[in-house]
Amino acid sequence: GESVGLHLPTLSVQEGDNSIINCAYSNSASDYFIWYKQESGKGPQFIIDIRSNMDKRQGQRVTVLLNKTVKHLSLQIAATQPGDSAVYFCAEIPSSGYSTLTFGKGTMLLVSP
Amino acid sequence: DTGVSQDPRHKITKRGQNVTFRCDPISEHNRLYWYRQTLGQGPEFLTYFQNEAQLEKSRLLSDRFSAERPKGSFSTLEIQRTEQGDSAMYLCASSGYTGTAGLQPIYEQYFGPGTRLTVT
Repeated sequence: GESVGLHLPTLSVQEGDNSIINCAYSNSASDYFIWYKQESGKGPQFIIDIRSNMDKRQGQRVTVLLNKTVKHLSLQIAATQPGDSAVYFCAEIPSSGYSTLTFGKGTMLLVSP
Repeated sequence: DTGVSQDPRHKITKRGQNVTFRCDPISEHNRLYWYRQTLGQGPEFLTYFQNEAQLEKSRLLSDRFSAERPKGSFSTLEIQRTEQGDSAMYLCASSGYTGTAGLQPIYEQYFGPGTRLTVT
């Protein structure tokens, strides 16, 4: 399948390591943020979301941290597995509009067995 | 499989030809979105429907692009007089209401697999 990861920042980790993927967002008025995972040849897949009134949210093996002061979002993946290899995008929903997503630049995560 | 389907998955066409893509959303979702994604970039919003009404269009959506959702279910995206710069992955997403963030209702978006367009 085609690659969505050309010319993207890449994070290479070993299986079992913890991974941290960072994202700087643009709109200080955004209310809602989402992390998506995109595997080659597939559409983006929802991982976890966080609202602007929170600074941390945990899911299964994933944690999202939000720092509104510096407009920074991070995704932490615990015990990274080869199946986690994909391109990860953060997305924001501006406070105006109809819930349309603005995606950030992606990061390719490569997990070695 | 998110439940959102797109057809075709791949389309190769010659410059100047018209192409049409179809998206079938999750049946109970009333919101449908089209995005375009080029290699190495995140998806970019094109247009959005609530039921059959097209409520928002991006500046990316030139006059050669038209989208419809005639019965509030499936949607089509047509590109007329295709140009090489139209080569991209065209993604469809549908959403249902999941709560609020501040005063804004949030609709979680589920993406289809996309249609890869290559204009030669």
